[in-house]
Amino acid sequence: GQQVQQSPASLVLQEGENAELQCNFSTSLNSMQWFYQRPGGSLVSLFYNPSGTKQSGRLTSTTVIKERRSSLHISSSQTTDSGTYLCAMELDQGGRALIFGTGTTVSVSP
Amino acid sequence: EAGVTQSPRYAVLQEGQAVSFWCDPISGHDTLYWYQQPRDQGPQLLVYFRDEAVIDNSQLPSDRFSAVRPKGTNSTLKIQSAKQGDTATYLCASSRQGYNNQAPLFGEGTRLSVL
Repeated sequence: GQQVQQSPASLVLQEGENAELQCNFSTSLNSMQWFYQRPGGSLVSLFYNPSGTKQSGRLTSTTVIKERRSSLHISSSQTTDSGTYLCAMELDQGGRALIFGTGTTVSVSP
Repeated sequence: EAGVTQSPRYAVLQEGQAVSFWCDPISGHDTLYWYQQPRDQGPQLLVYFRDEAVIDNSQLPSDRFSAVRPKGTNSTLKIQSAKQGDTATYLCASSRQGYNNQAPLFGEGTRLSVL
């Protein structure tokens, strides 16, 4: 079965609203990462977050290993935040090969 | 520093045709990955190399797909006889072993349509 579950599948926001994206893992977590992808674009790494909380600008990632989950919080959303957010866990320690979730598509309107 | 370079950017084929995708990783990156991303899905690992050695190709459809990295630098992914189900974006990524806090870096991808 799917090892990485993301929710929600899509999200529509008004500019300025906050959002929380969730990622749950069905197996033990080696490490996890969050990526951003524009339609037709490549993946851009947002966070490499094995555990705990990391913040970058308006984005905050929190990973709780023992609960096998990670979240991405977007505060004060902007139209430029529109795109797909993907979480991924490492297939094996040190390998860096990733198992991705299906993504959350975020649309922020002005 | 140049990023991961992939070519071509787009390919359109009829079923049964062959196609090759090329990837030039970041200089110094010993590990190279190929992912397949169907529309509206997350990327799925096909194969990855460390230097010229295949580390994991368990998800590569071996009857029609092949991948090589002969000198441990550039890599080629080939589909022998394409099917409509192969329609997807093919992403290449690279990383350097031992740099545990760095995510792999991805190329722009090759978007394949099989008619």
